[in-house]
Amino acid sequence: EAGVAQSPRYKIIEKRQSVAFWCNPISGHATLYWYQQILGQGPKLLIQFQNNGVVDDSQLPKDRFSAERLKGVDSTLKIQPAKLEDSAVYLCASSPPGGGPTKDGYTFGSGTRLTVV
Amino acid sequence: AQSVTQLDSQVPVFEEAPVELRCNYSSSVSVYLFWYVQYPNQGLQLLLKYLSGSTLVKGINGFEAEFNKSQTSFHLRKPSVHISDTAEYFCAVRGGGNKLTFGTGTQLKVEL
Repeated sequence: EAGVAQSPRYKIIEKRQSVAFWCNPISGHATLYWYQQILGQGPKLLIQFQNNGVVDDSQLPKDRFSAERLKGVDSTLKIQPAKLEDSAVYLCASSPPGGGPTKDGYTFGSGTRLTVV
Repeated sequence: AQSVTQLDSQVPVFEEAPVELRCNYSSSVSVYLFWYVQYPNQGLQLLLKYLSGSTLVKGINGFEAEFNKSQTSFHLRKPSVHISDTAEYFCAVRGGGNKLTFGTGTQLKVEL
């Protein structure tokens, strides 16, 4: 079974530029999560999708971050404009229908490391 | 609200020695607890989880953890570590809506 695919693996941009990250979940996984992991901290949930609808985006800085999952499969997370404090690893995770971290199948991708200079 | 505290940011240990990584939690709802491992430049991999039942949970790679409700702890242990166990370990608690709240992580460094 293929895992959660994320691209790019690394990205360096200047502050005030825009950037986009892509995530392709495991086939058949209905729920998709984006996490932000700042160096020295644990991952923090930014947004959770159920199919193509948003379940929770309470910790997403909506003035600069946006995310979409138009066809209920892959997803894009965008930052515009980027700030220095956005430097982090952005992790995507997915889970099967009716699943979540307590059930089998909840899987993380390898992440995109963003450096804002 | 849920929170997790990992008091040790780094734990150095010699190969074949035992290790304990500490985790304390706070939760206002049913407690579901997790330990994840993160190797360099990789995503998070589940080591073990406590949902209910036996308070001693066995996971992959020889790790185990004990849920202690009175002390609100979920410490991770391994009786004999290997150099390949060098990684960052995260404790997490599940809140409402399947939301995971992670601790700040403990870097385990196994030395020869």
